[in-house]
Amino acid sequence: EAGVAQSPRYKIIEKRQSVAFWCNPISGHATLYWYQQILGQGPKLLIQFQNNGVVDDSQLPKDRFSAERLKGVDSTLKIQPAKLEDSAVYLCASSADRYSNQPQHFGDGTRLSIL
Amino acid sequence: SQQGEEDPQALSIQEGENATMNCSYKTSINNLQWYRQNSGRGLVHLILIRSNEREKHSGRLRVTLDTSKKSSSLLITASRAADTASYFCATGFTGGGNKLTFGTGTQLKVEL
Repeated sequence: EAGVAQSPRYKIIEKRQSVAFWCNPISGHATLYWYQQILGQGPKLLIQFQNNGVVDDSQLPKDRFSAERLKGVDSTLKIQPAKLEDSAVYLCASSADRYSNQPQHFGDGTRLSIL
Repeated sequence: SQQGEEDPQALSIQEGENATMNCSYKTSINNLQWYRQNSGRGLVHLILIRSNEREKHSGRLRVTLDTSKKSSSLLITASRAADTASYFCATGFTGGGNKLTFGTGTQLKVEL
């Protein structure tokens, strides 16, 4: 089966600019996650979708970050305006559903650098 | 915030040796998972152990869980250069909707 696809792989922007990331999960996976991974740290969950609804966005900085999964399949994460501290790898993951004891499948991420 | 702390932060061993990584966490869990991350890549799921299990094996991997001490260990036997990666533990919670909280990771280097 095809894995989780993310694009772009790398992005360099200046602070205060906007940027968007795209994710296509494994076919049939109902649950989609966006994580932020700062260099040297573990991933931190930003938002979790179940189909096209938000399950948890408690750690999403909503003044600048937004995400959508309109048709319950692929998803976009946007940052506007970007700050220097947003430099990180943004990982997308999916799982079959949102019930416990499910492994999550990750894409290779988008590495964002803010100048 | 990070739920788990891996120990050691970095580990360097020779090919053929065993590698042991430890994870401690703070709150009650439903399950604990271990993931591997190669440089510049996403995380790969290795093994999941439920809170009512004490030990689990998968190939050269052995995971133990001690819920009374809120700790887990990952043992990789007969390590290979290809095992060089960062290893993360992640904890899931009852009613957490499969939400995981990741630890800080152990960087493993296996030298030839």
